[in-house]
Amino acid sequence: GAVVSQHPSRVICKSGTSVKIECRSLDFQATTMFWYRQFPKKSLMLMATSNEGSKATYEQGVEKDKFLINHASLTLSTLTVTSAHPEDSSFYICSAPGQGADTGELFFGEGSRLTVL
Amino acid sequence: LAKTTQPISMDSYEGQEVNITCSHNNIATNDYITWYQQFPSQGPRFIIQGYKTKVTNEVASLFIPADRKSSTLSLPRVSLSDTAVYYCLVGGYSGNTPLVFGKGTRLSVIA
Repeated sequence: GAVVSQHPSRVICKSGTSVKIECRSLDFQATTMFWYRQFPKKSLMLMATSNEGSKATYEQGVEKDKFLINHASLTLSTLTVTSAHPEDSSFYICSAPGQGADTGELFFGEGSRLTVL
Repeated sequence: LAKTTQPISMDSYEGQEVNITCSHNNIATNDYITWYQQFPSQGPRFIIQGYKTKVTNEVASLFIPADRKSSTLSLPRVSLSDTAVYYCLVGGYSGNTPLVFGKGTRLSVIA
């Protein structure tokens, strides 16, 4: 199946700094990617939909100026957590739909664990 | 998007068949039912998807009654490595529609 890769898998940063997380579709093109965050023992929460060549669509309650999403190419979407604070510490997961006629499956990255000190 | 309800947790012994039922009373005509598995600190992994009746693949079966208001994921002869959280999701067939995750079912398999 299709592979979605995230980098870095783990990152620790100081409060106030910005962190960029990359999401790549390795063997297929993805005009759309989805970003989720997950707190310990909780379910995944959809943050935003990343669209290649246009602005991302954010879910209600997600600050677009804090979580900057850029979908610069058909295989790369990035999430930048700006001025990170400890409450932003979470597991961030991206996903992309399979290529082709309605595969009906979302492929998820391995996730990126952010710890803000 | 249709809301789903699953048991919060389940326990099973190794080698047993596990059935996890999901309720989705407000499922729309165009909605498909998809199940994902998630291990700690990993992204979810697709298990199976169906629209009606029964679907079977190499890892699981999915039973969907005629009214489609519920579905049951069946895992045959579970092993310790099947310990994970299982999510039932309902949504459009097109992969361009984001999936909204419910709380999932935490399955613990014990020896």
